[in-house]
Amino acid sequence: GQNIDQPTEMTATEGAIVQINCTYQTSGFNGLFWYQQHAGEAPTFLSYNVLDGLEEKGRFSSFLSRSKGYSYLLLKELQMKDSASYLCAVLDSNYQLIWGAGTKLIIKP
Amino acid sequence: ETGVTQTPRHLVMGMTNKKSLKCEQHLGHNAMYWYKQSAKKPLELMFVYNFKEQTENNSVPSRFSPECPNSSHLFLHLHTLQPEDSALYLCASSQGQGLGSSGELFFGEGSRLTVL
Repeated sequence: GQNIDQPTEMTATEGAIVQINCTYQTSGFNGLFWYQQHAGEAPTFLSYNVLDGLEEKGRFSSFLSRSKGYSYLLLKELQMKDSASYLCAVLDSNYQLIWGAGTKLIIKP
Repeated sequence: ETGVTQTPRHLVMGMTNKKSLKCEQHLGHNAMYWYKQSAKKPLELMFVYNFKEQTENNSVPSRFSPECPNSSHLFLHLHTLQPEDSALYLCASSQGQGLGSSGELFFGEGSRLTVL
């Protein structure tokens, strides 16, 4: 079966750095996505990786290793507004999105 | 203004009621989706419409009935639901169903459904 694993919850301190990991086992691979979802709000697109390596976008970076079936989302200079759930999703060979259960990130002052 | 609008935001219904969820997208997209989001579970794809035609039905019980009258509007008709159907129902749209090279979905804020 297809599976996406990510931690259920993480806690970090304002101003610090946090890394949210995602491992996947899917039928084929056409890209990996990260979405952010604040409580009571719509998920919003953060990043897309299809090639190995690091993609940097401001305070957020996303890394992919296809050989290891692994990705991480790195958040720097954490702010209170970064408290949210972070969803990892993989586009499989049929162009179906396979979703992880999400990681709830709690930022403390 | 959000690109994808869902109404109602909150809905409480009994198991014998009939209600509908509405989704409207203002982005000119061709594909629209219904997802179910339950606490601590992955998003579950329910239905996909591409150019108003249903292209995916993920073994969803018949008590959920989708309707897509045009590329901008999507409905989810609900009847004789069960308490376990209580969840957040998210609508999304994308430029094409295949999601292409960017794969970006645009989500609405969801309809929080409680079945008593």
